[in-house]
Amino acid sequence: EAGVAQSPRYKIIEKRQSVAFWCNPISGHATLYWYQQILGQGPKLLIQFQNNGVVDDSQLPKDRFSAERLKGVDSTLKIQPAKLEDSAVYLCASSFGDDGYTFGSGTRLTVV
Amino acid sequence: QQQVKQSPQSLIVQKGGISIINCAYENTAFDYFPWYQQFPGKGPALLIAIRPDVSEKKEGRFTISFNKSAKQFSLHIMDSQPGDSATYFCAASSGGGSGTYKYIFGTGTRLKVLA
Repeated sequence: EAGVAQSPRYKIIEKRQSVAFWCNPISGHATLYWYQQILGQGPKLLIQFQNNGVVDDSQLPKDRFSAERLKGVDSTLKIQPAKLEDSAVYLCASSFGDDGYTFGSGTRLTVV
Repeated sequence: QQQVKQSPQSLIVQKGGISIINCAYENTAFDYFPWYQQFPGKGPALLIAIRPDVSEKKEGRFTISFNKSAKQFSLHIMDSQPGDSATYFCAASSGGGSGTYKYIFGTGTRLKVLA
């Protein structure tokens, strides 16, 4: 079984620039999550999709962050404009049924 | 109420020793408690998980102990090995059953096992 694929692995941008991350979940996993992991902290949920609908985006800073999951498969997370405090690892995860999450390796974003 | 408090922040154990990491929660609606292991540059990977209807679950060298009345749960790593050196996260969630778990993660414990 292929895992959760994320790209790019690393990204360095200047503040106020925009950036997008891509995630391809495990085939058949209806639920997809984006988490933000700041260095030294636990992952924090940004947004949760069930198929292509948003289940929870209460912690997504909607003035600068947006996410979509077209056709209930791949997903993109965008930040525009980026701030220094957005420097973090952005993790995508997917799940099916009562199984736990499977995380991707993440995208490490550095905003300078 | 949505927090999961994890301790210690870091832990150093000799090879062959027992590593113990503790977590506490407040929300009594939580009904699923997984532990994740994360190596540098990798995403967290599910290690072991427990539901509140049992007090202990063991998988190989890894054991979760669960105390529902105290709202605490812990991870025990027996015969700790250098390859266990990683960051461990506890988490808690409620709901699910339709693949829609929403995890609240602890702050992580960096474990180093000395050879």
